[in-house]
Amino acid sequence: DAGITQSPRHKVTETGTPVTLRCHQTENHRYMYWYRQDPGHGLRLIHYSYGVKDTDKGEVSDGYSVSRSKTEDFLLTLESATSSQTSVYFCAISEPAGGWETQYFGPGTRLLVL
Amino acid sequence: KQEVTQIPAALSVPEGENLVLNCSFTDSAIYNLQWFRQDPGKGLTSLLLIQSSQREQTSGRLNASLDKSSGRSTLYIAASQPGDSATYLCAVLNYGQNFVFGPGTRLSVLP
Repeated sequence: DAGITQSPRHKVTETGTPVTLRCHQTENHRYMYWYRQDPGHGLRLIHYSYGVKDTDKGEVSDGYSVSRSKTEDFLLTLESATSSQTSVYFCAISEPAGGWETQYFGPGTRLLVL
Repeated sequence: KQEVTQIPAALSVPEGENLVLNCSFTDSAIYNLQWFRQDPGKGLTSLLLIQSSQREQTSGRLNASLDKSSGRSTLYIAASQPGDSATYLCAVLNYGQNFVFGPGTRLSVLP
């Protein structure tokens, strides 16, 4: 499972509140990713990180911010949660390996915004 | 912009049948292509990875092929079992870009 944990695993919150999801890895991987998965859309990249304090936007970054102050932790923050951000959020890691890159995924966080 | 599609969206087969899942992509300048399995309520598990220079990869009853020129990959599952029931996703990685995932094929193998 590549030592990836996500917390919380489930969360219910109200519109307008801030929410922070945590991804923790134990194997010192450089690249970390946050995706959201919605029916009909598959997985869409929100933000990714290629090192401590090095982050960039993905396809659906509006309304989200990230931080990576330590190699092992990648935080995703919904600054003011909206119902459209109800989704399943997955963290993933990868390590460049000359074309053999693969991604390893965490178990996911189910977020419901009321 | 890379786009990945998968056909069919859902498939139901009797146990023991051989089956093929399809993945298509629009930009053929890929670095690699991967097939993942996702069980309900779980994360994704990598099944097979094919580098751009390869034509196919095999793991047990699974065989994935890659035809870059036509922008297609197939995942062949031999002698399907109920335990193969899951959603199968393909993902492509282009040079200098991030992984792009298809929407998945939901497979049900009936006993």
